[in-house]
Amino acid sequence: GQNIDQPTEMTATEGAIVQINCTYQTSGFNGLFWYQQHAGEAPTFLSYNVLDGLEEKGRFSSFLSRSKGYSYLLLKELQMKDSASYLCAGAILKNNTDKLIFGTGTRLQVFP
Amino acid sequence: NAGVTQTPKFRILKIGQSMTLQCTQDMNHNYMYWYRQDPGMGLKLIYYSVGAGITDKGEVPNGYNVSRSTTEDFPLRLELAAPSQTSVYFCASSYFQGTYEQYFGPGTRLTVT
Repeated sequence: GQNIDQPTEMTATEGAIVQINCTYQTSGFNGLFWYQQHAGEAPTFLSYNVLDGLEEKGRFSSFLSRSKGYSYLLLKELQMKDSASYLCAGAILKNNTDKLIFGTGTRLQVFP
Repeated sequence: NAGVTQTPKFRILKIGQSMTLQCTQDMNHNYMYWYRQDPGMGLKLIYYSVGAGITDKGEVPNGYNVSRSTTEDFPLRLELAAPSQTSVYFCASSYFQGTYEQYFGPGTRLTVT
């Protein structure tokens, strides 16, 4: 079956670093997406990993280990605007496009 | 570019009523998707399309229908609304650019009472 697990909630302090973990079990795995979703808004793309290793994009980095079925999103120098839900999604390639299986999301609250 | 647009933003339906959620994208993307998101939950794929005239079921297709007559439009039809269909519905589109990164519309919040 397809399964994505991530913590429900996390809290952190402004300026700190936080790591949001995600474990997955998907057949036909074609990569791992991270999306950010502010309350009442649409998800927006943050990162995509298909090979093992770390991808860095400014304050955000994402890591993937295919052998362990594990990914994490690392947020550095946290800002208040980073308070949002972070959705981990496993991609399954079918009919020449990715079908995404989403986790329930991790709600991050950043405090001053 | 407006990106992905959805109408309406909000809707209240009575049980048994029908409605169509509209989705349009102006980015010439081949791939389009419909998701639902229940409170505190992740997104579940309802239907998707890889091009005009081609659609396929996702994880939770029961109670919904779709069509894709043009590249731009991908409407979602609810035939007999049920309270279990109360949710926020997101439409998304993508094209291959090394990944199939999906661009989401603003969502339609639907309540069935």
